Amino acid sequence: NAGVTQTPKFRILKIGQSMTLQCTQDMNHNYMYWYRQDPGMGLKLIYYSVGAGITDKGEVPNGYNVSRSTTEDFPLRLELAAPSQTSVYFCASLSGGPDYGYTFGSGTRLTVV
Amino acid sequence: GEDVEQSLFLSVREGDSSVINCTYTDSSSTYLYWYKQEPGAGLQLLTYIFSNMDMKQDQRLTVLLNKKDKHLSLRIADTQTGDSAIYFCAGLGTGFQKLVFGTGTRLLVSP
Repeated sequence: NAGVTQTPKFRILKIGQSMTLQCTQDMNHNYMYWYRQDPGMGLKLIYYSVGAGITDKGEVPNGYNVSRSTTEDFPLRLELAAPSQTSVYFCASLSGGPDYGYTFGSGTRLTVV
Repeated sequence: GEDVEQSLFLSVREGDSSVINCTYTDSSSTYLYWYKQEPGAGLQLLTYIFSNMDMKQDQRLTVLLNKKDKHLSLRIADTQTGDSAIYFCAGLGTGFQKLVFGTGTRLLVSP
């Protein structure tokens, strides 16, 4: 199993540009999440989804959008990139039972200049 | 909402024990986790403890939970240089909706 796959691994955006961070999992997990990690700040939840067609906001949703058309895919969209969105983004999924916690992707390092 | 606090840095010598501490505010957290993050990598689940347990041991790892004080700790016995990483504690609330992470503790193990 590939687990949770994120692409791209690195990206530099100019202010005002748009991009989509891709996330795919092959474990048939219903729950998926997007977090951002800023230095010394831990991880903050951006959006999450409890199944195909269902998404909800986390702590820091402003400037982002998500969709969940299939169980496997949970893309994160940045419409008008701002320097404050420079961060490392992690996608994760959770099986129906939480005993083993989340499975994380390897992250996308985004720089907005 | 949940708030999770950790000390930022811990330095130990190889072979010593490391103890990483965490305090949390939400007493309804059903599961509490420890994750490890190596440089440039994602987070790897190390261990977890259910809220009705006081202690859990898993090889070199011992997790202690003090629910009264809302305090969680991770002890790593015989710490190795490969244990150098950032360690995050996290709490899972009801509804399995989200993990709330601490700020992370950077563990540095010197030879």
